[in-house]
Amino acid sequence: QVQLVESGGGVVQPGGSLRLSCAASGFTFSSYGMHWVRQAPGKGLEWVAFIRYDGSNKYYADSVKGRFTISRDNSKNTLYLQMNSLRAEDTAVYYCAKDLIYGDYSSWYFDYWGQGTLVTVSS
Amino acid sequence: DIQLTQSPSFLSASVGDRVTITCRASQGISSYLAWYQQKPGKAPKLLIYAASTLQSGVPSRFSGSGSGTEFTLTISSLQPEDFATYYCQQLNSYPLITFGQGTRLEIK
Repeated sequence: QVQLVESGGGVVQPGGSLRLSCAASGFTFSSYGMHWVRQAPGKGLEWVAFIRYDGSNKYYADSVKGRFTISRDNSKNTLYLQMNSLRAEDTAVYYCAKDLIYGDYSSWYFDYWGQGTLVTVSS
Repeated sequence: DIQLTQSPSFLSASVGDRVTITCRASQGISSYLAWYQQKPGKAPKLLIYAASTLQSGVPSRFSGSGSGTEFTLTISSLQPEDFATYYCQQLNSYPLITFGQGTRLEIK
């Protein structure tokens, strides 16, 4: 069965950095686009970033552009999110999510999600 | 950016009730809309995509309809496990995809 397991969250000071990981199993990771979606405490969902199945295209929400970098290692079935210049408003649970369809044309629908990892930005 | 407005934001209903949640887009999004269910402390779950396609494994009491700017999620007969928060998501303007603010469905 599909499993996505995030790790790397924690408490970081404003201006600091953190790298999140998402270990994938149960599907052909290298065939699917992958996303990061976050949810601030008690708030709604916000899409953060997308990476194409082969890593050739990446997209970011305006709120994180220039500060966050999405990447993947298909040999390790792992997705990453490098977060720099963190701000208080980046405090959230970060989910990795699998795209619904495989191949060249991602659907931008999220059919499997991890359990999330909490990032807290506070001094 | 395309804004999605869900109504109501909060809904109280009983087991067996028929419930409808509406999602309105600030501009036309064709049928590029999904619905997710989220229970407290859990990740969201995909229910409906492409406005009306039921995701595999989702009970048939869930249905979606609409196109353009107005969409609905209907639960035909509420079950105890359906009490959760529901979100709509648009991807017409990808990569600038957005979610609605959520509708919390609670037991009356």
